[in-house]
Amino acid sequence: EIVMTQSPATLSVSPGERATLSCRASQSVSSNLAWYQQKPGQAPRLLIYGASTRATGIPARFSGSGSGTEFTLTISSLQSEDFAVYYCQQYNNWLTWTFGQGTKVEIK
Amino acid sequence: QLQLQESGPGLVKPSETLSLTCTVSGGSISSSSYYWGWIRQPPGKGLEWIGSIYYSGSTYYNPSLKSRVTISVDTSKNQFSLKLSSVTAADTAVYYCARVFLEWLPTWFDPWGQGTLVTVSS
Repeated sequence: EIVMTQSPATLSVSPGERATLSCRASQSVSSNLAWYQQKPGQAPRLLIYGASTRATGIPARFSGSGSGTEFTLTISSLQSEDFAVYYCQQYNNWLTWTFGQGTKVEIK
Repeated sequence: QLQLQESGPGLVKPSETLSLTCTVSGGSISSSSYYWGWIRQPPGKGLEWIGSIYYSGSTYYNPSLKSRVTISVDTSKNQFSLKLSSVTAADTAVYYCARVFLEWLPTWFDPWGQGTLVTVSS
């Protein structure tokens, strides 16, 4: 099983600042990585797939990068609605799809 | 706009079988472009993929749950279902259904249902 490790567990950021979230895979997943946002009491929402392609309707302040084992989600200027938990998910490993443990972005 | 809605008992006794159904509206479950999946989230914890199914009935299951999981599809009702047997308190979670995009294999999940909390307790 491919293990996805996200860091940091919690990120404290002021509104308007830049947030950088990391996701590391225990072995290469090529560019087969997605990012999700989850707000309290809500289902996850797809942000990014293919490591860097924004899903429909996702604002341009969200960007993804990386390949292989190292990935980054960047929120260029945090808005109030962006404070949430973010998960990465790999879909490269045949027959098993795994998520990271999440990074909580909180108001500083 | 595609929507998914989970339904089923919110309370299941230990050792019994958890059964949930996901109803798809605004689109056909028989599309060749998608799989359909189940994911769960224990209270305060992260996400765990349970399994995915194609409209033809082809399935993929999480190896850690495979011995207890059955996912089926009913194209006439535009629904797919989850059965998890021999449940314990560790199976208490919010259960989500989701559409899975198909490239050369199933990929990412979008959209998701709102989720349903299933508690395992006597």
